[in-house]
This record gives sequence, structure tokens and C-alpha cells, in this order.
Amino acid sequence: DIQMTQSPSSLSASVGDRVTITCQASQDISNYLNWYQQKPGKAPNLLIYDASNLETGVPSRFSGSGSGTDFTFTISSLQPEDIATYYCQQYDSLPFTFGPGTKVDIK
Amino acid sequence: QVQLQESGPGLVKPSETLSLTCAVSGYSISSGYYWGWIRQPPGKGLEWIGSFYHSGSTYYNPSLKSRVTISVDTSKNQFSVKLSSVTAADTAVYYCASGRLSGSYPYWGQGTLVTVSS
Repeated sequence: DIQMTQSPSSLSASVGDRVTITCQASQDISNYLNWYQQKPGKAPNLLIYDASNLETGVPSRFSGSGSGTDFTFTISSLQPEDIATYYCQQYDSLPFTFGPGTKVDIK
Repeated sequence: QVQLQESGPGLVKPSETLSLTCAVSGYSISSGYYWGWIRQPPGKGLEWIGSFYHSGSTYYNPSLKSRVTISVDTSKNQFSVKLSSVTAADTAVYYCASGRLSGSYPYWGQGTLVTVSS
């Protein structure tokens, strides 16, 4: 199985700050990477697919980049409604696997 | 817009079989898309259980493969998951999900908590 790691595991930032989360795959996954946002008690919400493509309806302050094994997710200006846990997920190889998540809250 | 709704027992006894159904509206399973199940133990991360394409094979997570079966009923536009010989480790919120790309899920049900306990 492809192992996904994320850092940091949690972060605290101020409204308006730029927030960056990294995700690393244990082997080359090309650009087959998703980013999801999950709020407490809710299903995950797909934000980014194919590493850098914004899902329809997702605010442009969210972005993703990377390919191969190293990926980055960025919130350009943190908003109060962005408080959530963010997961990366690879879909290059079965079984599809998720990172452990990064919890983002407001300082 | 694809909408999904999970249903099934919220409590299952150890060693028994967990059985959940995902009712789909707004899109016909027969028309395409990939359909899958993902679970999340309380306070933990996400685990992909398995998925299928409407006209293709079904794929399972090897960690569960010997115990899991995903099936589809196109006449009712729904699909199901069965997990046998459950233990407390199978306690989780179970989600059904779907999308145009294999392994990429923009559409999710609200999730249903299944507790394994005697």
C-alpha cells in the first residue's frame, strides 16, 4: 500500500494568514492526489483533485501543487469557516489511501 | 446533483455481519461514475473500503477483502456493503461516496455510525 504522511498534524493560525500543509507519498503517484476538508460531524468535502485542480464551487483561496511524491495544500487567507481537518488522498494505486489529517484552527 | 443516503443498523454484535445500503438520487448508477464505501473510526482518519464502476469490476481494500462484499441493485438505484465477522475495531462512521474519477469523490452521503458491541 502507498503510505501518505502529512505535516504538521495540527496548526493554529490567525484570520488572514497563509496556511500551508504538506503531504508526502511513499512512492510516485504522479498527480493522482486529492485534498479534502472535513468539519466535525460532517462528511469530507473534496476541494482539490489531480493535485492542483479546484473542484467546482470551491473558493479560490484554496490551492494545491506538486507531483510525484511531494505535495502542498495552501489556504491563501485563512477564514473562520476554514476551521476543519484536511486530508490528502492518493488514487494512483489500489488501495486508495488517506493521509492522517491536519487539524487547522484559529489562533 | 448526485445525492447519497446511507441506511442500516446502528448496532451490530461481534462476529455478526454489518450490512449497509446507499440510496442514490439525482443520477443513475447505470449511467456511469465510480461508487464506493469509506469508513472513519471515531476520532480517527479515513479508510477506503472498496469501490466499483457501473459496468466494471469491484475492488476491495486487501485489509478487508476476505470479509467485505459490495453489491449493486440498479433497479433500486442503490448499492450495499456487507462486512462479516465484525469486531469492535469495525466501529466507525461508514460513508458511501461517488465521483467521475476512480478514487476521487466529490459526492458523499452524510455517514452512518455503526457500533459493534454485545
